Amino acid sequence: QVHLVQSGAEVKRPGTSVKVSCKISGTTLTAFYMHWVRQAPGQGLQWMGMIIPEGGGTSYALGFQGRIAMTVDTSRDTLYMELRNLTLSDTAVYYCVRRFSSSRLYPWGQGTLVTVSS
Amino acid sequence: AVQMTQSPASLSASVGDRITITCRASQDVREEVAWYQQIPGQAPKLLIYEAYRLQSGVPSRFSGSGSGTDFTLTINSLQPEDFATYFCLQDFDFPSLSFGGGTKVEI
Repeated sequence: QVHLVQSGAEVKRPGTSVKVSCKISGTTLTAFYMHWVRQAPGQGLQWMGMIIPEGGGTSYALGFQGRIAMTVDTSRDTLYMELRNLTLSDTAVYYCVRRFSSSRLYPWGQGTLVTVSS
Repeated sequence: AVQMTQSPASLSASVGDRITITCRASQDVREEVAWYQQIPGQAPKLLIYEAYRLQSGVPSRFSGSGSGTDFTLTINSLQPEDFATYFCLQDFDFPSLSFGGGTKVEI
């Protein structure tokens, strides 16, 4: 069975950066595209971007370009999402999710709560 | 970018009821739509993909339909564990994803 396990909750100051990890088990990371999605408290889901683990190609949502970086360490079967220059509105739960096939995205990581507070 | 408009935002129902949730895409997305269930504090769970295909392990009381711009999630004979938030997702505009705003199903 495939599992995605994310790093723990973080508390950050405005203007700083956060790096969230997502480790896959039960399958090979390089076989699938991987997305990052976030959910602010009480809000809907927002797509942040996608990474192709084999080669590291990325595509970022327009609203995050310039302050986001998605990387992969295939030797550790682990993805990373770094968000820079954090503001209070970046407080959210961040999820990684595997794209198994078109419109079939599962499983999701358990989520990582990032709280930005002064 | 493709917009997904989901309705209703919330609904009240009883155990045993049949409920329907809809999503409308701002452009033709063929059948590249999925439906998810989310329980507070948990990650989303895939129910339906490619508009109507039931994900393995999901009870058959869940069904999806639609193509193009209009999509429906139906839950027959609502069970206590079905009270949750549901949302749609489009994957036609690859690699960009967009989501419906969610429907909270309450008792």
